[in-house]
Amino acid sequence: TQLLEQSPQFLSIQEGENLTVYCNSSSVFSSLQWYRQEPGEGPVLLVTVVTGGEVKKLKRLTFQFGDARKDSSLHITAAQPGDTGLYLCASGGGADGLTFGKGTHLIIQP
Amino acid sequence: DTGVSQDPRHKITKRGQNVTFRCDPISEHNRLYWYRQTLGQGPEFLTYFQNEAQLEKSRLLSDRFSAERPKGSFSTLEIQRTEQGDSAMYLCASSLGGTASRWYGYTFGSGTRLTVV
Repeated sequence: TQLLEQSPQFLSIQEGENLTVYCNSSSVFSSLQWYRQEPGEGPVLLVTVVTGGEVKKLKRLTFQFGDARKDSSLHITAAQPGDTGLYLCASGGGADGLTFGKGTHLIIQP
Repeated sequence: DTGVSQDPRHKITKRGQNVTFRCDPISEHNRLYWYRQTLGQGPEFLTYFQNEAQLEKSRLLSDRFSAERPKGSFSTLEIQRTEQGDSAMYLCASSLGGTASRWYGYTFGSGTRLTVV
């Protein structure tokens, strides 16, 4: 089972600031998914990245997949309080299920 | 279809009691998964069904845990003789089969929060 390391574990910033969170593995990802989870709810898929070097944008969120497909980052521009949540990266699937990292707890203060 | 439904949302039980949780997946999804999530951690994979067949159950935490999906639709997760360490959020997810799950990901329910006292 692939181990996913996410950093930082916790991040608290002011509204309007930019931030980047990371997901790393010692082995190659076949594909990588980013989810966002709010307290008391299940994770919600944000994006899937498949190709090394790929960049995907979702409004103020920019997702990058490393050239070697061993790392990924999520950059948020001009963070808003509504961005508060647990950001999870995940890989794998099928009979082995998705493997999740421990997540980055993000708090955006007004 | 309103997504993946889980029932109950919250369950408080005394140690030693049995509990059962239900999951209703998205009707078009043939794959169903159960996960456990403890505080401060990411979800941990427990078991997987494709239609009514349970294709992976070795990751269930102990023989006190069992899951069924009798007609390939809804699923139940049962924990027998609950222990305080079983307190967690239990999440159900469903997905399309094959490479579609890679692109469209899993759709998770809101989970069942179990507290064992």
